Amino acid sequence: ETGVTQTPRHLVMGMTNKKSLKCEQHLGHNAMYWYKQSAKKPLELMFVYNFKEQTENNSVPSRFSPECPNSSHLFLHLHTLQPEDSALYLCASSQATGSNQPQHFGDGTRLSIL
Amino acid sequence: EDQVTQSPEALRLQEGESSSLNCSYTVSGLRGLFWYRQDPGKGPEFLFTLYSAGEEKEKERLKATLTKKESFLHITAPKPEDSATYLCAVQAPYGQNFVFGPGTRLSVLP
Repeated sequence: ETGVTQTPRHLVMGMTNKKSLKCEQHLGHNAMYWYKQSAKKPLELMFVYNFKEQTENNSVPSRFSPECPNSSHLFLHLHTLQPEDSALYLCASSQATGSNQPQHFGDGTRLSIL
Repeated sequence: EDQVTQSPEALRLQEGESSSLNCSYTVSGLRGLFWYRQDPGKGPEFLFTLYSAGEEKEKERLKATLTKKESFLHITAPKPEDSATYLCAVQAPYGQNFVFGPGTRLSVLP
């Protein structure tokens, strides 16, 4: 596989459920990102990891919990979500956070909260 | 605060009708400006990086240009398969993160 792969592609969950989103990159990058994309709004950066260390938490509610076990894998653990959390969640990777190289994105997980 | 705006919000073109999309930014210095294409249900696909004013990049029917305050994505003789949302993002010299614009939704009619 090449590029950035996200699973699942679609997820429907109730507000009391716990689920996890997974991202894997095969580009040899050292930085990984979580973004939220809602209708008619720009991409919102959520979390940044560089060489497995979290370098940015963009005031994200604690019901979103990221995990980066190595430079190739990134998870987003979800619990007690709200209806306004329904969105497309995108994972991206880049060479490193300090570089001016492009970020490469996966196809996202479409999350619906009932 | 770094800001990125894009215009128009939506654009409908006939096949073969050339046009340009605009990305305006306010950032103190620029490390890079990035153009992406996003199809429905997919993640953004990287197109170009521009680093300094005067720089141009081309790929098939697309040409990106950069000035000190804005970038243009010129589409020459577009085809229906060019229909997508086009996003631009900027990276400031002191920051590590990208700031994305809201995108331009392009529809090319046969």
